[in-house]
Amino acid sequence: KAGVTQTPRYLIKTRGQQVTLSCSPISGHRSVSWYQQTPGQGLQFLFEYFSETQRNKGNFPGRFSGRQFSNSRSEMNVSTLELGDSALYLCASSLDFDSGRQTYEQYFGPGTRLTVT
Amino acid sequence: QKEVEQDPGPLSVPEGAIVSLNCTYSNSAFQYFMWYRQYSRKGPELLMYTYSSGNKEDGRFTAQVDKSSKYISLFIRDSQPSDSATYLCAMTINAGNMLTFGGGTRLMVKP
Repeated sequence: KAGVTQTPRYLIKTRGQQVTLSCSPISGHRSVSWYQQTPGQGLQFLFEYFSETQRNKGNFPGRFSGRQFSNSRSEMNVSTLELGDSALYLCASSLDFDSGRQTYEQYFGPGTRLTVT
Repeated sequence: QKEVEQDPGPLSVPEGAIVSLNCTYSNSAFQYFMWYRQYSRKGPELLMYTYSSGNKEDGRFTAQVDKSSKYISLFIRDSQPSDSATYLCAMTINAGNMLTFGGGTRLMVKP
């Protein structure tokens, strides 16, 4: 089975611009979560989508948004980029339910490294 | 104070040693516990997944959860240079897929 894929892998943007990152989950996985990883703050939860609906949201400003499509693929958008948005953005997918049992294992993609100059 | 604390290391051990990695947490509502391994410039890789207190073994890896002490551990037996990576603990309550991570421990296994 193919793993979680993220595009692009690297991105350089200028302050004030906006950016869209894409994530394709493992086939059959319906939950997609996004995380930001920085050296100072570590891995922080951004939001989670399930069946095209945002199910959970972390403590990030409204400049960070996302969506999920009917095929479970997800995108996240950051508007009005700031220097502090430079980070590795990770997407994780989860089966959510397996044979009627809730599961919480999440599988991460390789990430998109965003640099804001 | 962070919800999940993890010694950042680096932890340096000789090849073949037993490695002990630990996390403490403050939120007693956490019920599901995970350990991830992250190589440089890669995404985290799920190693172990446990529910509530107890032990779970998978090959050279053993995960332990002590909910009464709010303490989880990952043991690596017969450590190999290829185990050199950052190890992240993560946990969640029974409310969706929002994982709370520790800061990660960098492990170096010397040949």
